[in-house]
Amino acid sequence: SQTIHQWPATLVQPVGSPLSLECTVEGTSNPNLYWYRQAAGRGLQLLFYSVGIGQISSEVPQNLSASRPQDRQFILSSKKLLLSDSGFYLCAWRPKGGYRAFFGQGTRLTVV
Amino acid sequence: DAKTTQPTSMDCAEGRAANLPCNHSTISGNEYVYWYRQIHSQGPQYIIHGLKNNETNEMASLIITEDRKSSTLILPHATLRDTAVYYCIVRVSGSSNTGKLIFGQGTTLQVKP
Repeated sequence: SQTIHQWPATLVQPVGSPLSLECTVEGTSNPNLYWYRQAAGRGLQLLFYSVGIGQISSEVPQNLSASRPQDRQFILSSKKLLLSDSGFYLCAWRPKGGYRAFFGQGTRLTVV
Repeated sequence: DAKTTQPTSMDCAEGRAANLPCNHSTISGNEYVYWYRQIHSQGPQYIIHGLKNNETNEMASLIITEDRKSSTLILPHATLRDTAVYYCIVRVSGSSNTGKLIFGQGTTLQVKP
């Protein structure tokens, strides 16, 4: 069966520090991958999506970047965190041609 | 993808049916209606989807109007664990699609004992 792993579950980082969040999917190949962010009390905002290795599309301009170095690995990064980067970050995947998306348990990031 | 409109919040008594409406008046012919829910501090969970016909699964029923401009998600016997934010999303489905899910604000359903 397919599973999605996202870590860490919680993270507290100082302003100006780098960030690396990792997401991996097991049990499938060539999935579409997505990064979402949910600010406190707000809705889910799509940040990036990827349809294949090395293919990244950005949905909104921001202080973050994404990479897909392997088929089932999706990484969210920042060189210097801002206070506004705080939020709940969710990784998701969808099989090609599939109709439903599967979400990880999320990382709660607090920038202090 | 078409935009959706949902009430901000709703209450439902435990054991009763919860009917969550969604308007999608600009939906196009090849767009599906999807419902997800997000329990507090968790990732969203798929509930159901449909194109034209009404659909039912173990979690819920989806009623789509004949003109497809609105739909209703029905939780037949709501429990306290159904308290969550419910999102109605419309998008094109298929292998050539990127599969992006664009979430709105959703409806916060509070199931009360």
